[in-house]
Amino acid sequence: AQRVTQPEKLLSVFKGAPVELKCNYSYSGSPELFWYVQYSRQRLQLLLRHISRESIKGFTADLNKGETSFHLKKPFAQEEDSAMYYCAPRGNKLVFGAGTILRVKS
Amino acid sequence: DADVTQTPRNRITKTGKRIMLECSQTKGHDRMYWYRQDPGLGLRLIYYSFDVKDINKGEISDGYSVSRQAQAKFSLSLESAIPNQTALYFCATSDRGEKLFFGSGTQLSVL
Repeated sequence: AQRVTQPEKLLSVFKGAPVELKCNYSYSGSPELFWYVQYSRQRLQLLLRHISRESIKGFTADLNKGETSFHLKKPFAQEEDSAMYYCAPRGNKLVFGAGTILRVKS
Repeated sequence: DADVTQTPRNRITKTGKRIMLECSQTKGHDRMYWYRQDPGLGLRLIYYSFDVKDINKGEISDGYSVSRQAQAKFSLSLESAIPNQTALYFCATSDRGEKLFFGSGTQLSVL
């Protein structure tokens, strides 16, 4: 079964500090993973997917097969990054991790 | 972006009442999903459907039922609502397990 784990429910950082939101997966086969974001009073939306290897809003995520991780990183946090972040595998069932709230303090 | 529309946006009901939440989409996607969001528990899958004749249980389907009336419509029902079904409910669509498109959510409160 495709499972992802987000160990942190809340991550609080200061503006300008680096951010790393953790996601670990338990998988059979070749994993394909996504990060979704939910800003306050907005609907969930895709942030990035690992196959595209892109950087969105300064965020990147690299698939590490050795550590079975897909952590979301940003070198310098901004206040507008405050949101709920979900890691999710591609697949039929699309089961999400529990989510991590990121709070960026000024 | 109103590609995925949920109604109602908010609903307050009493224990034991039957409730239906509706979702419609203009994306033309075959796959539709219902999730609930609870603080500290994240987003959990209730039911999903790959086409009109295909309905599948998710992680937490007990107490819920769904109906896929058409490719564009996927309704979630609570036959007899209970307080622990108070949550924010999201509908989503996708094209073959790719990117999900979400509705804006329905806040349900069961008193």
